Amino acid sequence: GQNIDQPTEMTATEGAIVQINCTYQTSGFNGLFWYQQHAGEAPTFLSYNVLDGLEEKGRFSSFLSRSKGYSYLLLKELQMKDSASYLCADNSGNTPLVFGKGTRLSVIA
Amino acid sequence: SAVISQKPSRDICQRGTSLTIQCQVDSQVTMMFWYRQQPGQSLTLIATANQGSEATYESGFVIDKFPISRPNLTFSTLTVSNMSPEDSSIYLCSVQGAQYEQYFGPGTRLTVT
Repeated sequence: GQNIDQPTEMTATEGAIVQINCTYQTSGFNGLFWYQQHAGEAPTFLSYNVLDGLEEKGRFSSFLSRSKGYSYLLLKELQMKDSASYLCADNSGNTPLVFGKGTRLSVIA
Repeated sequence: SAVISQKPSRDICQRGTSLTIQCQVDSQVTMMFWYRQQPGQSLTLIATANQGSEATYESGFVIDKFPISRPNLTFSTLTVSNMSPEDSSIYLCSVQGAQYEQYFGPGTRLTVT
């Protein structure tokens, strides 16, 4: 089965660093995805981890530990425009992604 | 990444009527999906649209209520039938990329009165 857990809400200060955690339990795990969704818009693809370790992409990084069923999204140098929902999703091969409930991040001045 | 368009972008419909949402992709894709997102909620998969065969529906969704067509590898439609206010939601078309990532259309915002 697939069970994804992530915090519902987080608040962080402009310029700071925030880490959004995600745990999952899935059979046939094939990769962990992170998406960003601004209010009223469609989700946009941020990152994909299939191997253990950290993938860095500018201000955003994503980490995966397959043995622990754990991932996090790290956002550095936070900007007001980073206020959005961040969705963790996993994949079991040639099947649709299963999304977590999302973490609503508020960046404050 | 694929470029995905949806029509209409939004609509207000009366209870009991039906609405067909179109999804067009700029390249041929094997896997295409339909999701629903109710206000403040995450994405819920409705069905996988299979080219040339019947769609595969998730638990809680049935073909009579959400008929889906997939006539070719670049196009699909989702119909929301016999609508009620509970069907008010954003409906999103999605396609799968080469590394199993998914790309989403801009969504169709449906309000049922």
